[in-house]
Amino acid sequence: QSALTQPASVSGSPGQPITISCTGTSSDVGGFNFVSWYQHHPGKAPKLVIFGVTQRPSGVSDRFSGSKSGNTASLTISGLQAEDEADYYCSSHTSSSTWVFGGGTKVTVL
Amino acid sequence: QVQLQESGPGLVRPSQTLSLTCTVTGGSVSIGGYYWSWIRQPAGKGLEWLGRIYTTGRTNYNPSLKSRVTMSVDTSKNQFSLRLNYVTAADTAVYYCARVVLSEAYFDSWGQGTLVPVSS
Repeated sequence: QSALTQPASVSGSPGQPITISCTGTSSDVGGFNFVSWYQHHPGKAPKLVIFGVTQRPSGVSDRFSGSKSGNTASLTISGLQAEDEADYYCSSHTSSSTWVFGGGTKVTVL
Repeated sequence: QVQLQESGPGLVRPSQTLSLTCTVTGGSVSIGGYYWSWIRQPAGKGLEWLGRIYTTGRTNYNPSLKSRVTMSVDTSKNQFSLRLNYVTAADTAVYYCARVVLSEAYFDSWGQGTLVPVSS
């Protein structure tokens, strides 16, 4: 199974929106509504921010939102804040009953 | 709130077996509705899913590692474990254990991670 494709880095100014894409295939992203996103600050445990493509866990800021079109899922952070600076990973369940992650996107707040 | 904690040796020699244990507190590995999984991150690289195990002991592994990976669950100790055989330097990584919500297929709780260097 191949890793999902994410941009290596995305940056934005405080208060601006950014979007991170996550491209897979019809055997993973496109085939299931089981895409999730994780925020990872180095040295800490990854934190779930979106599951089921669009669902936000309790306690996660409503500035985080998810969507999907075809084989590409997206995470949008509206109103970028300094604490949003981190690595972000997408993940999808697959037709082989396995999971696959994206390569990760480093978000920088300018 | 469920918490997970990885434990294992700090260093593994090439060609040896890497063994890690994940201890679960605040929850039970015996209840249905969850898988228990291992994920790793080599330095400077992304996350890689290694496999998962259910409370019954049923497993599914990443095809790229399938011949070298074994996972097990010990319900009496509320733990699950990872064994990776014939390790090389490429297996040096931070290893995480995580809980998977079966119905929606996402990782809702993660351990802090443990660095396992492979070196002679």
